Amino acid sequence: GEDVEQSLFLSVREGDSSVINCTYTDSSSTYLYWYKQEPGAGLQLLTYIFSNMDMKQDQRLTVLLNKKDKHLSLRIADTQTGDSAIYFCAESFNDYKLSFGAGTTVTVRA
Amino acid sequence: GAVVSQHPSWVICKSGTSVKIECRSLDFQATTMFWYRQFPKQSLMLMATSNEGSKATYEQGVEKDKFLINHASLTLSTLTVTSAHPEDSSFYICSAREVGQGYAGELFFGEGSRLTVL
Repeated sequence: GEDVEQSLFLSVREGDSSVINCTYTDSSSTYLYWYKQEPGAGLQLLTYIFSNMDMKQDQRLTVLLNKKDKHLSLRIADTQTGDSAIYFCAESFNDYKLSFGAGTTVTVRA
Repeated sequence: GAVVSQHPSWVICKSGTSVKIECRSLDFQATTMFWYRQFPKQSLMLMATSNEGSKATYEQGVEKDKFLINHASLTLSTLTVTSAHPEDSSFYICSAREVGQGYAGELFFGEGSRLTVL
């Protein structure tokens, strides 16, 4: 079965880097994702990583995957107030179903 | 980029009535759509997988007679909450996968529909 866990809250100062962590238990996942959800809105795909990769960088976002420890992280460089949101990690399998973590609420303070 | 639209975005209904929520892929065809339910401050729970032209596949614990799903075309799936009760109040989100999409695994999400049952 799938089980994805995240820390629930993160507070970061504007301009600092944010690191959001996620652990998962099913090693047969094909892709791992990070989604962003702003209040009252749907999910926006931020980035994804194929399960045989270790790292992916996309502008301010860096994803690190430690497959041995089943640990996924998202680093946001130069965090801005617009980055305040809930961030979900998720994993998918060959059937394209997604299994989500509970979400990390990121609050950016001035 | 691909757009998925849900309608209505907000609906309030009386207990015992039925409510239909639409999920449309606006600029692509989707053979498969997924319906999720999200409780306040919680994660998304997959309810069912909707396949165009066939019956939906429901996740364990989801009542198929309560949550009717129809995927009549490659651009539209509907979720009908029948005989709604206050415990059905939730945020319902759909996602869609594009036919023949080379990028494996990307799903596009709708903006969600908030149902409040009085």
